[in-house]
Amino acid sequence: GENVEQHPSTLSVQEGDSAVIKCTYSDSASNYFPWYKQELGKRPQLIIDIRSNVGEKKDQRIAVTLNKTAKHFSLHITETQPEDSAVYFCAASMRSGANNLFFGTGTRLTVIP
Amino acid sequence: KAGVTQTPRYLIKTRGQQVTLSCSPISGHRSVSWYQQTPGQGLQFLFEYFSETQRNKGNFPGRFSGRQFSNSRSEMNVSTLELGDSALYLCASSPSKNPGLAAYEQYFGPGTRLTVT
Repeated sequence: GENVEQHPSTLSVQEGDSAVIKCTYSDSASNYFPWYKQELGKRPQLIIDIRSNVGEKKDQRIAVTLNKTAKHFSLHITETQPEDSAVYFCAASMRSGANNLFFGTGTRLTVIP
Repeated sequence: KAGVTQTPRYLIKTRGQQVTLSCSPISGHRSVSWYQQTPGQGLQFLFEYFSETQRNKGNFPGRFSGRQFSNSRSEMNVSTLELGDSALYLCASSPSKNPGLAAYEQYFGPGTRLTVT
């Protein structure tokens, strides 16, 4: 099955700096890569996603890049704010039409005011 | 549209008992997936239902089962509870189509926190 690895497990940045979280996946058939933000005690919230036919996608301060050859994808948050503090999960969906997401182990991001 | 809802939000059960959790997807979504979240194992896929049929299944024992009703609401059942079943159980709703040519975004409910004592 698919194996998704996520790094780093914790990340602290100063407010206004950028944060980068990286994930790798094992199955070349994976074609959908969402990112979720989970605040303490709350549900995972979809913040951005990318499909295998796209190399980069941006939404305001958040961007995701995908390198299919290397089988890795990254989340970039610019101009970080304290409210960006949360656990971020990357995920991969193994095949078309399947809704079983394989999640990374999460990155706890702390933005220091 | 209203979001995904789950009931109950909290549950305490004793080893050996069984439990049923409920999930109501976003209106119009026909796919419901279930995930288990624990500090040690992270988020793990349990199963997915689409149009009342189980479409995908994760690597969990047969004690974990589910079903989906004609209105797309889904239930998950765990029998013979073990201490290790203590977790946050999340369901996710998706506008996935069948047959699907691409994976669709999933929206999570607030979860049911199950504690087994």
